[in-house]
Amino acid sequence: DTGVSQDPRHKITKRGQNVTFRCDPISEHNRLYWYRQTLGQGPEFLTYFQNEAQLEKSRLLSDRFSAERPKGSFSTLEIQRTEQGDSAMYLCASSLGPGTGELFFGEGSRLTVL
Amino acid sequence: AQTVTQSQPEMSVQEAETVTLSCTYDTSESNYYLFWYKQPPSRQMILVIRQEAYKQQNATENRFSVNFQKAAKSFSLKISDSQLGDTAMYFCAFMKLQTYGGSQGNLIFGKGTKLSVKP
Repeated sequence: DTGVSQDPRHKITKRGQNVTFRCDPISEHNRLYWYRQTLGQGPEFLTYFQNEAQLEKSRLLSDRFSAERPKGSFSTLEIQRTEQGDSAMYLCASSLGPGTGELFFGEGSRLTVL
Repeated sequence: AQTVTQSQPEMSVQEAETVTLSCTYDTSESNYYLFWYKQPPSRQMILVIRQEAYKQQNATENRFSVNFQKAAKSFSLKISDSQLGDTAMYFCAFMKLQTYGGSQGNLIFGKGTKLSVKP
């Protein structure tokens, strides 16, 4: 299966620690997106890349959050000094953009901050 | 700013029956896409159906169809002949198009409707 893969699937950390999530998109997809989903809510946009360029960032992406896609392939999302409010599912998606707008999602990385 | 509202947090339907999920949105844009995505329990989100705002004809995909009312900013999803595998969260989503065409990156989702299909 060559879908979008995310690692780790689950992460439990203590408040104040740093965490990093990795996303491997579908290989030919040039766009990569990060979303955050909390319980009972729809996903909220964080940021997206076209190739290695970060084209848009949400106001949700505070200065504790940083995302990279150094070679236009995989991407990392780092959260520094985690807070309990960061507990959520972090979803990665990719697309052959701009195209039809259809996004292909990974299964997500669930973060629990104690 | 665009908003998407799904007013039905939960719905249930008997297997083989038809169910309609509601979605309204607010935007001042004239060119955009609308989507319904399905998120099964502990599985990734997948696209169910897509509608281009400039198309008057409602999109259909097998048992799934939409009722797109652009003036009313309404975009409902009808599932016919419901199957147990349709049990999932369903999200309505909006994406505006760039001026020169093509999609932007920001999908705006509603809060979702949890659909349960009962045998």
